[in-house]
Amino acid sequence: AQSVSQHNHHVILSEAASLELGCNYSYGGTVNLFWYVQYPGQHLQLLLKYFSGDPLVKGIKGFEAEFIKSKFSFNLRKPSVQWSDTAEYFCAVTVSSGSARQLTFGSGTQLTVLP
Amino acid sequence: DVKVTQSSRYLVKRTGEKVFLECVQDMDHENMFWYRQDPGLGLRLIYFSYDVKMKEKGDIPEGYSVSREKKERFSLILESASTNQTSMYLCASSPTDRANIQYFGAGTRLSVL
Repeated sequence: AQSVSQHNHHVILSEAASLELGCNYSYGGTVNLFWYVQYPGQHLQLLLKYFSGDPLVKGIKGFEAEFIKSKFSFNLRKPSVQWSDTAEYFCAVTVSSGSARQLTFGSGTQLTVLP
Repeated sequence: DVKVTQSSRYLVKRTGEKVFLECVQDMDHENMFWYRQDPGLGLRLIYFSYDVKMKEKGDIPEGYSVSREKKERFSLILESASTNQTSMYLCASSPTDRANIQYFGAGTRLSVL
């Protein structure tokens, strides 16, 4: 079974700082990768996804993530964070097969951006 | 816009009570999921369903059951609530043709006293 590790549990940054959140997964086959975000008091929503093709994917609100297959990683980046990026971020993986439906989530990273 | 609605945002129950958490989606999605979210543990899959009256166990099904009598509704049942089931419960749905893209409800925060 696959698993996902997010090593940063809580990250605190000042506005305009650059962000990188780590995500590593364990699975030997082809995967689909996701970042979800949960803003305070809001429901979980998709930030970006990787299925195939260009390993650098861009999502909403200026976020991007790079899939590095050799490192089993899918780190989330943003060059300049804003106070409104304060949220909890979850990395998730699913195996790339026709019947795949289950997402396996990491433990989440709480990002606090100080104004 | 896809809408996944969970019937309660907050729920307080006593140990031993039978608890029903309801989830309704309005996009005719085939797949529906129940997760629980706990600090430091992320989201863990309890049960999911890919069709009416079909269900499959997720990673932590013990102490839970589910019911899917209609396509749009997926219920999570705690037969006899215990304090270790105090948690945030999230429902999600996805269509068959894009099964990996899940849409989440706002969550139900359940406290078992």
